[in-house]
Amino acid sequence: DQQVKQNSPSLSVQEGRISILNCDYTNSMFDYFLWYKKYPAEGPTFLISISSIKDKNEDGRFTVFLNKSAKHLSLHIVPSQPGDSAVYFCAASADYGGSQGNLIFGKGTKLSVKP
Amino acid sequence: DSGVTQTPKHLITATGQRVTLRCSPRSGDLSVYWYQQSLDQGLQFLIQYYNGEERAKGNILERFSAQQFPDLHSELNLSSLELGDSALYFCASSTGTGYYNEQFFGPGTRLTVL
Repeated sequence: DQQVKQNSPSLSVQEGRISILNCDYTNSMFDYFLWYKKYPAEGPTFLISISSIKDKNEDGRFTVFLNKSAKHLSLHIVPSQPGDSAVYFCAASADYGGSQGNLIFGKGTKLSVKP
Repeated sequence: DSGVTQTPKHLITATGQRVTLRCSPRSGDLSVYWYQQSLDQGLQFLIQYYNGEERAKGNILERFSAQQFPDLHSELNLSSLELGDSALYFCASSTGTGYYNEQFFGPGTRLTVL
């Protein structure tokens, strides 16, 4: 039973256009969400996060939107660059008493940005 | 470079064997997490240690165990290995117990069980 779902295994976008990566979750206890980027042969790299008290967080070209009622979040990359080509993982966390921080990951979406 | 190191980078072994994966967290980080990434799967949380103590357990098999030492490095022990244990194993670290703390991932250890 997947608690974090990324339904698009891959996405192809033209350089300069917007990339939109989507993520759905089922566990209503999740209240902190993160996006990680992963290049081949490397570990995931933190990109951006959002807590459930917000509905938007922006960092440069990256913006994450959170729709709690729909249990849905999305990552927008504008403008997309060829160097953004990677696998993007959505992850979620819940505060089970403050002593745990394990992340629940989706299966990832492979983004290809074409020049 | 995240500052998290993992050794070895690759490991090839046979079924039934036992291996140890090692992780050194970023300087100052007290929490260490282990994740497994199998083919076509996302990262699955295995176990978390904070300052030497186990804090959370995920889908970790009984054949697997881990510990965090006084110098904060961690080891993941995998025994009675099966073909299905072939995967990428990632270690991550964070400053606090983890909640609201960004986790920094190492480059991973690729385990192949033949």
